[in-house]
Amino acid sequence: EPEVTQTPSHQVTQMGQEVILRCVPISNHLYFYWYRQILGQKVEFLVSFYNNEISEKSEIFDDQFSVERPDGSNFTLKIRSTKLEDSAMYFCASVAILEQFFGPGTRLTVL
Amino acid sequence: GIQVEQSPPDLILQEGANSTLRCNFSDSVNNLQWFHQNPWGQLINLFYIPSGTKQNGRLSATTVATERYSLLYISSSQTTDSGVYFCAVGRDYKLSFGAGTTVTVRA
Repeated sequence: EPEVTQTPSHQVTQMGQEVILRCVPISNHLYFYWYRQILGQKVEFLVSFYNNEISEKSEIFDDQFSVERPDGSNFTLKIRSTKLEDSAMYFCASVAILEQFFGPGTRLTVL
Repeated sequence: GIQVEQSPPDLILQEGANSTLRCNFSDSVNNLQWFHQNPWGQLINLFYIPSGTKQNGRLSATTVATERYSLLYISSSQTTDSGVYFCAVGRDYKLSFGAGTTVTVRA
């Protein structure tokens, strides 16, 4: 069964550094999402991406964040200058029609 | 945005017991999914159930869209069922998650 994959599984970085989180959505899916979950809290929507552009973003998704689909398979989330409060689990999801399929997540720790 | 409330927040079960988790939402939706978050933090997709009833082994779910709620049933619970169960709803793609129900199954 096709699945969404994410790399790395765990990323540790210093405050102020740039990080890129990578996702490979299910092929033939057209909508892509990033969500995040701060430890102990609910999962929050960050951004949705369709047809090579952002279709919706939350208040969390400020100028420090960007998304890109650099090729036909990868979907990336970049955080330009990480803050302590960016420490969280980041999930990528892709959609064919309505059901969202989530990747295993990347745990980001900012020191 | 759509508000999602899950109850109870915590549930402690003895192995073999049955339980019901509830999800209420504030607006009409065309997507509702139940997830189990395992100890490694992964979100395991349990059901895609915007309406109707589905069963998968010891788990089943029912969504009554007109009354804006969904129920997740766990029967004959096992210790491996422990974890956090999330309900997530959406209209036009973006999902809004509830705060989850933390289930602890004791041997």
